[in-house]
Amino acid sequence: GQQLNQSPQSMFIQEGEDVSMNCTSSSIFNTWLWYKQDPGEGPVLLIALYKAGELTSNGRLTAQFGITRKDSFLNISASIPSDVGIYFCAGAASTSGTYKYIFGTGTRLKVLA
Amino acid sequence: NAGVTQTPKFRILKIGQSMTLQCTQDMNHNYMYWYRQDPGMGLKLIYYSVGAGITDKGEVPNGYNVSRSTTEDFPLRLELAAPSQTSVYFCASSKGAIGNYGYTFGSGTRLTVV
Repeated sequence: GQQLNQSPQSMFIQEGEDVSMNCTSSSIFNTWLWYKQDPGEGPVLLIALYKAGELTSNGRLTAQFGITRKDSFLNISASIPSDVGIYFCAGAASTSGTYKYIFGTGTRLKVLA
Repeated sequence: NAGVTQTPKFRILKIGQSMTLQCTQDMNHNYMYWYRQDPGMGLKLIYYSVGAGITDKGEVPNGYNVSRSTTEDFPLRLELAAPSQTSVYFCASSKGAIGNYGYTFGSGTRLTVV
């Protein structure tokens, strides 16, 4: 079946540093989503991407839909302690009868003050 | 706004027991989903529903059952609990089909089977 690989699996960074993570797929997607999950909570949508090459920002977060449509990137600028959590990518292809996203395994972010 | 509400938040079951995980949403979303999240892993789809009276299997449906009698509610049933079902379960809903709508997730049910 379809798989999403996220990297890195985890990272420790200093407060104020920029963070980059990515997600690659074995197949083409038409939509990419990025979620953040805080401890003990459900994932919360950060950014949605709908077109190849699209670059979208949400505050200090910027995500890009790769031009190959098989990857996506998330950048966090000037990280702060509350950025800690697990970041998931999710992708979907609009093939007939598909109503569900495939989720990556997550990138665990720890910000050191 | 309540969004997606899951109950209970925590539960311990003995092997062979049964239980129902409740999920309700107040956003009038047609699409609802159940995922499980194992430690260090991503989310795996168990079942989903595209509207009242319609359900379908996801990636990992074995050992579970669902029903969708109303737009608001999408309960997940475990009939004979097994240790392999120890996980965190998330319910989600969306306004429409993929492409233009992301999911809204509940806060999860942490289930331990001993």
